[in-house]
Amino acid sequence: ELKVEQNPLFLSMQEGKNYTIYCNYSTTSDRLYWYRQDPGKSLESLFVLLSNGAVKQEGRLMASLDTKARLSTLHITAAVHDLSATYFCAVAVYGGSQGNLIFGKGTKLSVKP
Amino acid sequence: NAGVTQTPKFQVLKTGQSMTLQCAQDMNHNSMYWYRQDPGMGLRLIYYSASEGTTDKGEVPNGYNVSRLNKREFSLRLESAAPSQTSVYFCASSESPGAGELFFGEGSRLTVL
Repeated sequence: ELKVEQNPLFLSMQEGKNYTIYCNYSTTSDRLYWYRQDPGKSLESLFVLLSNGAVKQEGRLMASLDTKARLSTLHITAAVHDLSATYFCAVAVYGGSQGNLIFGKGTKLSVKP
Repeated sequence: NAGVTQTPKFQVLKTGQSMTLQCAQDMNHNSMYWYRQDPGMGLRLIYYSASEGTTDKGEVPNGYNVSRLNKREFSLRLESAAPSQTSVYFCASSESPGAGELFFGEGSRLTVL
């Protein structure tokens, strides 16, 4: 059964600083997703990573995937308050009891002035 | 463009009452899902429907039933609600199980007293 672990689960940053969120998963998968969730809101897709070495960037966020290490990272550059949210990684599985995507527990990011 | 629509958005039930959460998508997606989100637990899959006419259990199906009414609609029923079912419920859809990326509804916040 695929397990997805994110760390840290809570992250308090100062504006302007850099940090990385890590997502480890336990079995082979060929795609990984990052989602953002604002408090009381739904989940919004940020990135889809489809192959080993894939890197995607949007603004101050950059995601990468290493399928051999079963590791994805979400790097935050020069954080701003608007990035405060909970970030989830999700790994694709096919069939069985796990359906489509298995989610990590989320990293709650708080960016302070 | 509505995407994924869930109703109701909020509901309070007494233990033992029943209710149905409704979900509809207008993206012509084949696959639909019900997740529950609890603090510190991430999202856990309750049931999914890979295509019209099929449903499968996810990680936490006990106490729930689902119906894939047609390609657009996927409902989740609680036959006898319990306090442990207090949660935020998200419906999602995707093109197909293999296509992966999920599009989420706004969520339904359920409290069972």
